[in-house]
Formats: sequence, C-alpha cells, structure tokens
Amino acid sequence: EPEVTQTPSHQVTQMGQEVILRCVPISNHLYFYWYRQILGQKVEFLVSFYNNEISEKSEIFDDQFSVERPDGSNFTLKIRSTKLEDSAMYFCAQQGGRSSYNSPLHFGNGTRLTVT
Amino acid sequence: GENVEQHPSTLSVQEGDSAVIKCTYSDSASNYFPWYKQELGKRPQLIIDIRSNVGEKKDQRIAVTLNKTAKHFSLHITETQPEDSAVYFCAASGGATNKLIFGTGTLLAVQP
Repeated sequence: EPEVTQTPSHQVTQMGQEVILRCVPISNHLYFYWYRQILGQKVEFLVSFYNNEISEKSEIFDDQFSVERPDGSNFTLKIRSTKLEDSAMYFCAQQGGRSSYNSPLHFGNGTRLTVT
Repeated sequence: GENVEQHPSTLSVQEGDSAVIKCTYSDSASNYFPWYKQELGKRPQLIIDIRSNVGEKKDQRIAVTLNKTAKHFSLHITETQPEDSAVYFCAASGGATNKLIFGTGTLLAVQP
C-alpha cells in the first residue's frame, strides 16, 4: 500500500523561529489531516484539508499555524513563531480513496519538532 | 464536540493471557471506530476498525465490540505475545465531521 511520507524526520529550532513541515500525500486521496502528539500524550487533531481548502480546524490551530499546498501536490504545515509548547511529533494523515468518508486514516512517519 | 475516554491507561498481562481495552464516546452521531497500535517512536498504525452498523468484528487474535446504546467499544487481544507490547489508541469519528478524535491511550505490556 502506498505511504504518506514526511520530511524532515526531526527538526530542531529556536523559540520564535518559523518552521515548515512537509508531507507528500498519496495521490487520489481527498481528505488530508495534520495531527500532533506531545511526548507521552494522545494524538490531537489540528486541521483537515479537503478539495484544496481547510475544512475544519481545532482550537490548537491558531493564527500561528497555516497549512498550504504550494505546488498542488505536497502539503506543508507552517508554524510562524514557535513556542516551547509546540515541541511534539507532527503527523500528516490521509483517508483512502474517493469514497473516504469514515474510512481508515493512514499516518505518515511524523516529524519530531524540538523547540529550544 | 466528540470526547473519547479510554481505560485503563496501563495494562500488564502475562504472555498468552487476554487483554481488554475499553473506550467510551460522547457523540451519538459517531459511526466509525478504529483502533491504532503505536510502538515507541513510530506512527500510529491501524489494527482494526468497526462501523456502527455492526456489533463485533474479528481479525485473528484481535476483536472489537461496539455497544451503540451505551456508547462504548472495546478491543480484545487474545493469546497475547511480547510483540503486542505497545500503546493502543481508540478513536471515533462521524456525524458532522470526518476527523478522528483519539482516546488517551493504553500502554500494554506483555510479560514473557
């Protein structure tokens, strides 16, 4: 089965800096998500993207966050001014196929973001 | 919005015993309930899922049951093996939204 791939695997940045996390999606999968997982905690929903638009976002996804599809295929999650509490594993995820409502969510390998 | 609670937070069993993890959800419109296994430092991986039109689903040593009336669902692992040791997350989605809401996770330790 094709996989969602993410880069980089680990990103270290200083507080206040901007970071961009990247994801290469599976083609023909319409629903796209970003989740985060603080170390030792549960997986938390950040934002969903459908048909090239944000369809839903959580309270966590404030003005410091943005999601884009700069080249029409790959997705990026940008954090404008990182805070210590942004340190977490960030996963992109997709739901399969065109009939993807309530279908399995497949995660990328994640980017571990460390803010110092 | 949806809220998913998961118990227990940790579970230790002897190899060969069964393990049961339970979750409850709050939104009666939720209709899709997957379970994920996450090994240390890795991504969550889907192990089994169930939709609200069925009450039970089984895949080899893993089974999931769903009680829509009580709004709870459970993961059952039989004949546990050391390689089953991991964190298990339940999740729920459906109704007006497609996003998955995850439970808090259960750390399963299978002692050889």
